[in-house]
Amino acid sequence: AQTVTQSQPEMSVQEAETVTLSCTYDTSESDYYLFWYKQPPSRQMILVIRQEAYKQQNATENRFSVNFQKAAKSFSLKISDSQLGDAAMYFCAYRGTSYGKLTFGQGTILTVHP
Amino acid sequence: DTGVSQDPRHKITKRGQNVTFRCDPISEHNRLYWYRQTLGQGPEFLTYFQNEAQLEKSRLLSDRFSAERPKGSFSTLEIQRTEQGDSAMYLCASSLERKLSAGNQPQHFGDGTRLSIL
Repeated sequence: AQTVTQSQPEMSVQEAETVTLSCTYDTSESDYYLFWYKQPPSRQMILVIRQEAYKQQNATENRFSVNFQKAAKSFSLKISDSQLGDAAMYFCAYRGTSYGKLTFGQGTILTVHP
Repeated sequence: DTGVSQDPRHKITKRGQNVTFRCDPISEHNRLYWYRQTLGQGPEFLTYFQNEAQLEKSRLLSDRFSAERPKGSFSTLEIQRTEQGDSAMYLCASSLERKLSAGNQPQHFGDGTRLSIL
């Protein structure tokens, strides 16, 4: 079974600084998809960024980028120029190609200090 | 695009009672997912539908849980004889998949239904 591990329960960053959230996963599949979701307090989960395993190029969405290391099964999220609105719980998620479900990590709470 | 809608937002019930939640996916989304999230944890998969067909059920989904998606539109999740351990946030998500196998289409989540068992 696939597993996703986020080893940082909490992280903090100063506004305008850069922070990196870690994620590792375990799978025997060669093709799959990885996602980072953001869940603000008492609000719905929204997609931040996604990565296809067959693509070597790291995904980027504005201030958000990933460092995808397939051999190491690592998928970290870098947030540049952090903003107060980035404060939330961040979840790393894995999805295989043969089924539809997402497997989530435990989450990392990100605090942004003004 | 009105987003995924879940009803009710909160449900408080006594242990042993039955509860039913409803999820309305984004219009034209053919896949619908149910997840359960306990405080401070990531969501855990329960089940999902492709149109009206239930394609996968987690082992977490005991016999007390049942989900339906008649006509491939909205879905209901029923929990019978609720227990304290059922207290959680129940999340619904939907996506548009153009083939049977999974793609990279994101799942769009609703606000969830928070269930509290007294």
